[in-house]
Amino acid sequence: QKEVEQNSGPLSVPEGAIASLNCTYSDRGSQSFFWYRQYSGKSPELIMFIYSNGDKEDGRFTAQLNKASQYVSLLIRDSQPSDSATYLCAVSSDSGAGSYQLTFGKGTKLSVIP
Amino acid sequence: DVKVTQSSRYLVKRTGEKVFLECVQDMDHENMFWYRQDPGLGLRLIYFSYDVKMKEKGDIPEGYSVSREKKERFSLILESASTNQTSMYLCASRDRYYGYTFGSGTRLTVV
Repeated sequence: QKEVEQNSGPLSVPEGAIASLNCTYSDRGSQSFFWYRQYSGKSPELIMFIYSNGDKEDGRFTAQLNKASQYVSLLIRDSQPSDSATYLCAVSSDSGAGSYQLTFGKGTKLSVIP
Repeated sequence: DVKVTQSSRYLVKRTGEKVFLECVQDMDHENMFWYRQDPGLGLRLIYFSYDVKMKEKGDIPEGYSVSREKKERFSLILESASTNQTSMYLCASRDRYYGYTFGSGTRLTVV
């Protein structure tokens, strides 16, 4: 059974601070890693993906991947109240029947305090 | 941008009714998925399809069926709706290189 674990939170950070969201996964064969943001009552939207070990930066967001430790994280710099949402970590092995199925964590709820 | 369209945003149905949830994507993706999302339980995979007329059971297929007659359309069917199927239903589409694109979701209430 493939598992993706996230701290459910809530994680509260003051406006302007760095928010750090963490995720671990069980399947060593995982190839692709994704972060989704989900506002209350809305569907998830993709904000970052990463395939290789190391860091990947996009604006205020940085995704970090360590395959040896089976660990992926998302850093949000200069956090804004509009970043308050639930963040879902998702992992794919990209193998088997061409399904490209993602396995999701249950999400971490982030609250940015003005 | 890939667009995934779910036919209804909110739906109220009676117990025992047959319910159809429609999902259409416009980017020729082979892979399509149906999830339900409930508080505390996260996203749970109901069914997925990797080609026309192909379907695979996910983690919670009981009480559901699917249909994929055309590549762009993936339908979820609740054969006889029950109150424990009240949930947010999310359709997603994916190509090989990127993650899912989700539809806007259908919040189904069964009374």
